[in-house]
Amino acid sequence: AQSVTQLDSHVSVSEGTPVLLRCNYSSSYSPSLFWYVQHPNKGLQLLLKYTSAATLVKGINGFEAEFKKSETSFHLTKPSAHMSDAAEYFCVVSEWNDKIIFGKGTRLHILP
Amino acid sequence: SQTIHQWPATLVQPVGSPLSLECTVEGTSNPNLYWYRQAAGRGLQLLFYSVGIGQISSEVPQNLSASRPQDRQFILSSKKLLLSDSGFYLCAWSTGTYEQYFGPGTRLTVT
Repeated sequence: AQSVTQLDSHVSVSEGTPVLLRCNYSSSYSPSLFWYVQHPNKGLQLLLKYTSAATLVKGINGFEAEFKKSETSFHLTKPSAHMSDAAEYFCVVSEWNDKIIFGKGTRLHILP
Repeated sequence: SQTIHQWPATLVQPVGSPLSLECTVEGTSNPNLYWYRQAAGRGLQLLFYSVGIGQISSEVPQNLSASRPQDRQFILSSKKLLLSDSGFYLCAWSTGTYEQYFGPGTRLTVT
């Protein structure tokens, strides 16, 4: 059975410093993995996706994530945080049967 | 390009009143459609999904129902709202490539 765990419910970083949002998954098959971002009172926007091609995936707004099968991880990173990055981020796993599992979310706070 | 619409954007309804939320998708055919609810501090909960007209699967038993009268229209309904129905309702679509695309959401407050 598939599952996804976001290791931090809240992360605070200073503007201009790196961002790391951690995600671990469990899957019986080769999963597809995604990161979504949600700003307050908005829908979810797809940041990036991994679907068994390159393990380092680049997304929008300077974010990227690396698929590490040995560690069952798909952490989201950004070299330099911007105030507009303050939002909630969801890690998502999906398998061949089209079941999609959302993590509980990580709220990213950017300190001035 | 594909777009997804939800309305209304916000809604305040008394307990016991009916509910109808609408979602429409443009620019794609035969999408899979989904309704999620996001309650404060509880993440996303899948309520219903549909793979075609008239085909609805329910993930969580509750006083809500869904219908898909047209290929790109998905409606969430209730005959009598409960306080616990308050939340942020999101509609999403996908086309067999796993990723889902979300609408702007409807904020429902039941008073």
